[in-house]
Amino acid sequence: AAGVIQSPRHLIKEKRETATLKCYPIPRHDTVYWYQQGPGQDPQFLISFYEKMQSDKGSIPDRFSAQQFSDYHSELNMSSLELGDSALYFCASSLGGGGTRVETQYFGPGTRLLVL
Amino acid sequence: AQTVTQSQPEMSVQEAETVTLSCTYDTSESNYYLFWYKQPPSRQMILVIRQEAYKQQNATENRFSVNFQKAAKSFSLKISDSQLGDTAMYFCAFMKFSSRPVRTGNNRKLIWGLGTSLAVNP
Repeated sequence: AAGVIQSPRHLIKEKRETATLKCYPIPRHDTVYWYQQGPGQDPQFLISFYEKMQSDKGSIPDRFSAQQFSDYHSELNMSSLELGDSALYFCASSLGGGGTRVETQYFGPGTRLLVL
Repeated sequence: AQTVTQSQPEMSVQEAETVTLSCTYDTSESNYYLFWYKQPPSRQMILVIRQEAYKQQNATENRFSVNFQKAAKSFSLKISDSQLGDTAMYFCAFMKFSSRPVRTGNNRKLIWGLGTSLAVNP
């Protein structure tokens, strides 16, 4: 079965540079979530989108922005990168239509970002 | 606000034996979902098992089963016949239920515990 695709898988940037992370959800999934996981930590929710509209915002820095496109893929744009932004960034997708169906989030392999 | 607590930072088990990982949570919601995710050294986040709070029957997936105690707000994971490939970090997670589509203020973000690192020894 098709899974969530994230690109790139690894990224090395210098401080103050910008980065763009991409996420392609499972086909027919309409909801995308972005999480940030630091070393040895649990994932932290950043932002989510449903049907191309932002649905919720978590601990996402103002330097970051994201959007979901008409084909449901999503991009996380990160500017003025800091050393503390080094982390594993997960994208997850689900069917967000409500009802009694369990809206399980399926995760991509993550993008490992290293800021030097 | 919801919180998830995993009180065992590290655990170990011998291959072929059974191990139980603990998870407790706090919520005022009456309906919700609970999940166990596994994160092996590759750091891929893999769904292990899920439970709907309105279902009394405990979920089971092959060697993995849960003991869901709604009144006690407890959701433990039992791994039977442990295998070396079960070595991973295990995260317990909570998600609100809603019959309405995801919208602003109606989010279903996952609330995570801090994880339990499980080592399966040969």
